[in-house]
Amino acid sequence: RKEVEQDPGPFNVPEGATVAFNCTYSNSASQSFFWYRQDCRKEPKLLMSVYSSGNEDGRFTAQLNRASQYISLLIRDSKLSDSATYLCVVSPSGGSYIPTFGRGTSLIVHP
Amino acid sequence: GAVVSQHPSRVICKSGTSVKIECRSLDFQATTMFWYRQFPKQSLMLMATSNEGSKATYEQGVEKDKFLINHASLTLSTLTVTSAHPEDSSFYICSARVAGEGYEQFFGPGTRLTVL
Repeated sequence: RKEVEQDPGPFNVPEGATVAFNCTYSNSASQSFFWYRQDCRKEPKLLMSVYSSGNEDGRFTAQLNRASQYISLLIRDSKLSDSATYLCVVSPSGGSYIPTFGRGTSLIVHP
Repeated sequence: GAVVSQHPSRVICKSGTSVKIECRSLDFQATTMFWYRQFPKQSLMLMATSNEGSKATYEQGVEKDKFLINHASLTLSTLTVTSAHPEDSSFYICSARVAGEGYEQFFGPGTRLTVL
């Protein structure tokens, strides 16, 4: 089993739709979780951190399920500009921090 | 968020030459920087972890003599691809970790290397 797994997609959704991605991780000692967005031929940009209590930022909601070892990202009212690849990042905390990236989930929002 | 710059953004070189890529944290000090490589339509692959003032830690399968990393200051890490070959053509991205709650990474804009 890979350390961090994501459905590569692509997810094709119309504007205004709600879409959700999951990311599963295998290391139960993982402490830090993030969602990044990567546009084609660009560097990843931090979208949001994922806290134990969940995190909401506008149309984006991230949640953590430690029992089942996955994090999720929910995008409401999708915009054309949301089209990108969404990467989840998982790592232990502390000095031995080595982040592990998922392969990414491709989202295509169409008119 | 914190700003990380990378230079050059694009480089084309002949096979056998060496290429140096610089990664700078502009508004913060980064004790740890990471170097990644990304081939088209593939995920980011961590190459090495660069710690200021010490030797880099390379991931399995990454040749340390081919990919030289120097982290001489708290704001600068360099990656030198020595004797580059066409198979080294890729998108190289650095990131810097901001210590503290969350340990978010901030990425440089990447360097697209093409070896002819």
